Amino acid sequence: SAVISQKPSRDICQRGTSLTIQCQVDSQVTMMFWYRQQPGQSLTLIATANQGSEATYESGFVIDKFPISRPNLTFSTLTVSNMSPEDSSIYLCSVTGDSTDTQYFGPGTRLTVL
Amino acid sequence: GQNIDQPTEMTATEGAIVQINCTYQTSGFNGLFWYQQHAGEAPTFLSYNVLDGLEEKGRFSSFLSRSKGYSYLLLKELQMKDSASYLCAFSGGYNKLIFGAGTRLAVHP
Repeated sequence: SAVISQKPSRDICQRGTSLTIQCQVDSQVTMMFWYRQQPGQSLTLIATANQGSEATYESGFVIDKFPISRPNLTFSTLTVSNMSPEDSSIYLCSVTGDSTDTQYFGPGTRLTVL
Repeated sequence: GQNIDQPTEMTATEGAIVQINCTYQTSGFNGLFWYQQHAGEAPTFLSYNVLDGLEEKGRFSSFLSRSKGYSYLLLKELQMKDSASYLCAFSGGYNKLIFGAGTRLAVHP
């Protein structure tokens, strides 16, 4: 499976600021996804990062709040904009590249908003 | 609609066998997945079932019944390191996975 890295691994941010999270894969992958996992909860899909076009957002998530880029088949960024304490969460990227839809996850970014 | 259900918590004894059940409802189905997630870490892939039956992989086995919308993960010879959350997920199309809330398994001596 692909090796996936995320930067930063954790951050503490002030209310009203923005943070950009990077996801890097060591090989080209077909699909990249961004998830949020709030404390004690399961994974919630934010959006599918599409290479060369706008991301596809799930219900409850909008581009203005979570802009996503995917300039090539190995890299994507997620920005959490105008942060509030409710955005404190772990943000995970995942990738898939085979026909089974199996997803492999990056190590996650732990975000705390004060 | 789509939904997926699994128990919130389970406890088991070291060396024993535990079965974690998962039921799901979906109109489109491309496979059933199990992931393990230790506290503070990312989920790691355990198993994938697309056909009915049992898939065995070492101490872990996963079963699927598509007609019943039912799966289980079987963990044998439990070890303390198996204490983790186990996430059931299905693929309902468009390469997306729908995750259950997860089952927190506590293994005690």
